[in-house]
Amino acid sequence: GENVEQHPSTLSVQEGDSAVIKCTYSDSASNYFPWYKQELGKGPQLIIDIRSNVGEKKDQRIAVTLNKTAKHFSLHITETQPEDSAVYFCAAPQGAQKLVFGQGTRLTINP
Amino acid sequence: DGGITQSPKYLFRKEGQNVTLSCEQNLNHDAMYWYRQDPGQGLRLIYYSQIVNDFQKGDIAEGYSVSREKKESFPLTVTSAQKNPTAFYLCASSIGTSTNEKLFFGSGTQLSVL
Repeated sequence: GENVEQHPSTLSVQEGDSAVIKCTYSDSASNYFPWYKQELGKGPQLIIDIRSNVGEKKDQRIAVTLNKTAKHFSLHITETQPEDSAVYFCAAPQGAQKLVFGQGTRLTINP
Repeated sequence: DGGITQSPKYLFRKEGQNVTLSCEQNLNHDAMYWYRQDPGQGLRLIYYSQIVNDFQKGDIAEGYSVSREKKESFPLTVTSAQKNPTAFYLCASSIGTSTNEKLFFGSGTQLSVL
């Protein structure tokens, strides 16, 4: 089955700096890679996703890159703001019906 | 206002007791899911359902049971057989049943053992 590893588990950056979170996956057939953001006391929300036919996708200050050969994908947040503080999860499909999530990264933005 | 509603927000279980977590959605989504969240372990799938009156075990189904009698409801029962039930439980839904579908999550239920 699919195995997803996420690093780092915690990340602290100064406001305005960039943050990068990385995930690796094991199943070369995986073709969809979402990122979810979980704020304190809430459920996760999808913030960006990428499909295997593209190498990069951007949405304002957030971008995701995919390296299919190396089987890893990364979340990039530029010009970080206090509201970016949250737990971020990557995921990859296992078969046709399930998503496997990474362990999560707690991102803290320091003012 | 469409969304997923989980209740209660906090729940306490005594030894040997079964407890049921509620999950209701008014998004008209076909698929519904239950995840367990423990610190440092991400989200692990307990059960999922793609259609009414049908559901499948996820990766950690032991000690849990579900039902899907109505499209909008997917309650989770944590039985006394689940020896380590303390965790944050998340319910989710998606329009379709493919893994490419966006998941919509509820706000979760924190279950603790007395």
